[in-house]
Amino acid sequence: ETGVTQSPTHLIKTRGQQVTLRCSSQSGHNTVSWYQQALGQGPQFIFQYYREEENGRGNFPPRFSGLQFPNYSSELNVNALELDDSALYLCASSLESEQYFGPGTRLTVT
Amino acid sequence: AQSVTQLDSQVPVFEEAPVELRCNYSSSVSVYLFWYVQYPNQGLQLLLKYLSGSTLVESINGFEAEFNKSQTSFHLRKPSVHISDTAEYFCAVSEGGYSSASKIIFGSGTRLSIRP
Repeated sequence: ETGVTQSPTHLIKTRGQQVTLRCSSQSGHNTVSWYQQALGQGPQFIFQYYREEENGRGNFPPRFSGLQFPNYSSELNVNALELDDSALYLCASSLESEQYFGPGTRLTVT
Repeated sequence: AQSVTQLDSQVPVFEEAPVELRCNYSSSVSVYLFWYVQYPNQGLQLLLKYLSGSTLVESINGFEAEFNKSQTSFHLRKPSVHISDTAEYFCAVSEGGYSSASKIIFGSGTRLSIRP
């Protein structure tokens, strides 16, 4: 157990819809990173938040957006869902160096 | 940009046999290398890491990996595997140093399946 929780665990959406995924960081961790893990692939970096500000972004379109709250919990929002957005979405929290991963949210887009 | 290549997508081995999962990286700067394990229906767990110093690093459950700069490799080994080692293993490199601001670049993973 890493102390990082994500909700929901599973989610099914229709193409074109919007989705919000949530991440609760390990206590005191002020940095959160989000990754997308498509089936059969390694996780890919989406973006990172540090003290409520975006602190780096991977090669994902603007319809992927995020928020970090004062308590350091975080949201990942995806608009205009596409079939290829089906994946396991992982968040990881960190304070100094090591990133601690949550169990993920599995999103299926039909 | 840094990248990681895992040469084997699947590795089947018999219980108590040795195993090696191969990983090569590309980087022109100082590297920080990791192996993560993902058990079925779970998130990623850090297995071991190389930051500096001794090129051989070990985990608490018997895995070890050796950083080889000349071959740009960081292969994972275990002399005798157990059924409980069945999982997906990801080699990774940290881009932007090693801090909370780092971005982790993952390989595509190797599925280790253990046969009784």
